[in-house]
Formats: sequence, structure tokens, C-alpha cells
Amino acid sequence: TQLLEQSPQFLSIQEGENLTVYCNSSSVFSSLQWYRQEPGEGPVLLVTVVTGGEVKKLKRLTFQFGDARKDSSLHITAAQPGDTGLYLCAGARSGGGADGLTFGKGTHLIIQP
Amino acid sequence: DARVTQTPRHKVTEMGQEVTMRCQPILGHNTVFWYRQTMMQGLELLAYFRNRAPLDDSGMPKDRFSAEMPDATLATLKIQPSEPRDSAVYFCASGLVPRGGRGNSPLHFGNGTRLTVT
Repeated sequence: TQLLEQSPQFLSIQEGENLTVYCNSSSVFSSLQWYRQEPGEGPVLLVTVVTGGEVKKLKRLTFQFGDARKDSSLHITAAQPGDTGLYLCAGARSGGGADGLTFGKGTHLIIQP
Repeated sequence: DARVTQTPRHKVTEMGQEVTMRCQPILGHNTVFWYRQTMMQGLELLAYFRNRAPLDDSGMPKDRFSAEMPDATLATLKIQPSEPRDSAVYFCASGLVPRGGRGNSPLHFGNGTRLTVT
């Protein structure tokens, strides 16, 4: 079973601070996706990273895929209250996710105004 | 915006009762997944279909869970009999997988069915 460990589990910081959350595995993934989930809703895709070492930016969010495609990080610059949510990483078991994704348990992020 | 629609949003039932959850995937998507989310286990894949054919249901307790896709616009997940340990949020997600089964396939999730079994 391919497992994804996310850290920290919970993070509460003040508006304007920077933060990094991590997604680690002992397994190699063909690609990795990051989702954000808000209470009462389903996860929403933020980004997909495919190539080892790849870096993608989405406004104040920077996603990096590890060189060995076993880990990933999400860095948020100048966090805003609207960034509050559950951040999930998900690894593709094969074929880019066609056979389903393995999800980490997520990082619960709270940005306090 | 096209959305995955799940019904009901909430369901409270007594142990032993049958529960049916429904999902309308995004039109044109060929793959439908059922996930269960709990605080302890996070999101777990239960089963999935491609072009309405079941491909993998190894994540489901087979004695009480069943998943079907009677047509391209409806997927169902049924629990009979339900037990308190089935209490969770059940998500349906759909995606478009290219021919050949490869290529990155983002999932589009519904808003889930929150099931409470007492």
C-alpha cells in the first residue's frame, strides 16, 4: 500500500506569515496532486506536478515535487484568512490517476486575521 | 460550471437499515470514483468505474457495500445493513481518463453525503 504522510496535521498562524506543509512517502508516484477542501464541500484541485523537481506557482502558493517523485511541499507566502482549509496531497497509483488516487490525511490550516 | 451532484447531503439512520447514496457525475466524464472520508483514516478509495464498468472495488467491505452504475448519469453506493462504523462522509468524484488509461486525470468531487448510523 502506498502511503502519504502529511505534516503538520494542524497549523494555525497569523495573517501575513509564511508557511510550508509537507507530503512524504516511501513510494514513487507517477504524479502528485494537491487539493484544498473547505467544510461541507468536496476537495478542489489546486495543482498537479508530474516531473521530479518540478515547481509550480499559483499566486501565493508554490508547489514542489521532489526529485525522486516521493515527496512534495506546498509553500504559502503572506497567508490570508481565505487560505484556511484542509490541504490534501494525493498520489497517482498509475497512469496519472486513472486508477484512483491515494490521499494523505491532510493538513488543517487556519489563518487568523 | 459543471458539477458532480450527490444526494442526499445528509442521512441519519439506525443500525441495520439500508442506505443508498446517489451521484450524478459531470457529463462526458468516463470515470467515477467513490471515496469515504473520516477523521481517523482520511479519504479512502472504495470503488471506481470506467465507462460504467466496475474496475476495482477492493476498498469496499463486500458483504454489506455495493456500488453500481445503472447509466452514465447515475452512480449509486448502497450499504445493507448499515452499521455505526459506516458513519463518514461519502464522496463521489468523476474524471475524464484518456483512451489507453494514461494521462493526468484531475478529480472533480461532489460535496459528499454525510452519513450517521446510530
